[in-house]
Amino acid sequence: AQKITQTQPGMFVQEKEAVTLDCTYDTSDPSYGLFWYKQPSSGEMIFLIYQGSYDQQNATEGRYSLNFQKARKSANLVISASQLGDSAMYFCAMRVMDSNYQLIWGAGTKLIIKP
Amino acid sequence: EPEVTQTPSHQVTQMGQEVILRCVPISNHLYFYWYRQILGQKVEFLVSFYNNEISEKSEIFDDQFSVERPDGSNFTLKIRSTKLEDSAMYFCASRISGATDTQYFGPGTRLTVL
Repeated sequence: AQKITQTQPGMFVQEKEAVTLDCTYDTSDPSYGLFWYKQPSSGEMIFLIYQGSYDQQNATEGRYSLNFQKARKSANLVISASQLGDSAMYFCAMRVMDSNYQLIWGAGTKLIIKP
Repeated sequence: EPEVTQTPSHQVTQMGQEVILRCVPISNHLYFYWYRQILGQKVEFLVSFYNNEISEKSEIFDDQFSVERPDGSNFTLKIRSTKLEDSAMYFCASRISGATDTQYFGPGTRLTVL
């Protein structure tokens, strides 16, 4: 069965520190995609970063990077130099290639940045 | 920058009433999706839509739900007879095409069924 697991329901981090949000996934499909989305308290879902299963290098987007460890089936999000505006829910999601690319979601991690 | 839009932002309705949630996907996108997120829970896939027909739907998407692309720009989700458990945030998403393209989400419609 395809599944996304986020084991950290909540995290507190000091401003300007780096933070790692954990995500593990389970799929038997060799071709898949992994996403991270940010959901602020206002409710919208903001795309952050994408990693394809065949990508050789870890994805980076500004302060966001994805630590992709295929053998361990993990796709952790790293936020460098955290800011107060990073406080939000963060969701890891996996695109299922054989099913019209619907996304399967983790339960999310609530990140709070302390000043 | 083009974005997905959704209206209304918040809809309150009585149990048993019909609601239509509206979405305008990004104009050159070809694949459309509806997801829902019950408060405090994970996001759940409802339906995907391509080439004017449903391409995939989940178990949640029963006969009470329908989708339509009436005019080439709007993409609607209709719930015929709302139930209390339909209260959730409903997200529309679109993607352009291909195997690696990202789904871009609208801001969501918060549906409250009383």
